Amino acid sequence: NAGVTQTPKFRVLKTGQSMTLLCAQDMNHEYMYWYRQDPGMGLRLIHYSVGEGTTAKGEVPDGYNVSRLKKQNFLLGLESAAPSQTSVYFCASSYTPGQKLLGAFFGQGTRLTVV
Amino acid sequence: AQKVTQAQTEISVVEKEDVTLDCVYETRDTTYYLFWYKQPPSGELVFLIRRNSFDEQNEISGRYSWNFQKSTSSFNFTITASQVVDSAVYFCALSVEDSGGGADGLTFGKGTHLIIQP
Repeated sequence: NAGVTQTPKFRVLKTGQSMTLLCAQDMNHEYMYWYRQDPGMGLRLIHYSVGEGTTAKGEVPDGYNVSRLKKQNFLLGLESAAPSQTSVYFCASSYTPGQKLLGAFFGQGTRLTVV
Repeated sequence: AQKVTQAQTEISVVEKEDVTLDCVYETRDTTYYLFWYKQPPSGELVFLIRRNSFDEQNEISGRYSWNFQKSTSSFNFTITASQVVDSAVYFCALSVEDSGGGADGLTFGKGTHLIIQP
């Protein structure tokens, strides 16, 4: 099992450029999440999804959009990148209905630099 | 809203010493889950343990142990006989169950950077 896979692993963008981060999970999880990690801040939730076709805002959603067209994929978009979006981005998935909440499984992270 | 506080930003100890990482949480929900994750220098997040709010039993796994106390809203993590490989950032996290049975995200503390010196 691959678990949670993020693409790409590294990226450098110029201010104003757009990009999409892809997250794929093969555990049939219903819930998926995007977090960002900044030094001294821990991980903060950007957006999440409780199922195919659904999305919801987290703690720091501004400047990002997401889509969950397929259950296994959760896309994070930056329409016009800003230096403040320089961060490490983590995708996670969790929860299969009928099973106890076991916690979130995380991808390897994407290191994004906006110059 | 949930909150997790890890007051220790950085801890440095010499190898073989015992070390305890503190975690204090806040939530109004009666059903919640607590987690510890490890983030080694390579950057990935490694799941260590999950506890639910109805299970206050302490747990020991090898050199790791966890002390969950609802009375003080704490979920502390102890490493016994620390090793250099334990050097990492450790995160405590909290989630509550939503109406769908899952969780609308983990609330993380800011992490404790643990340095084990040889």
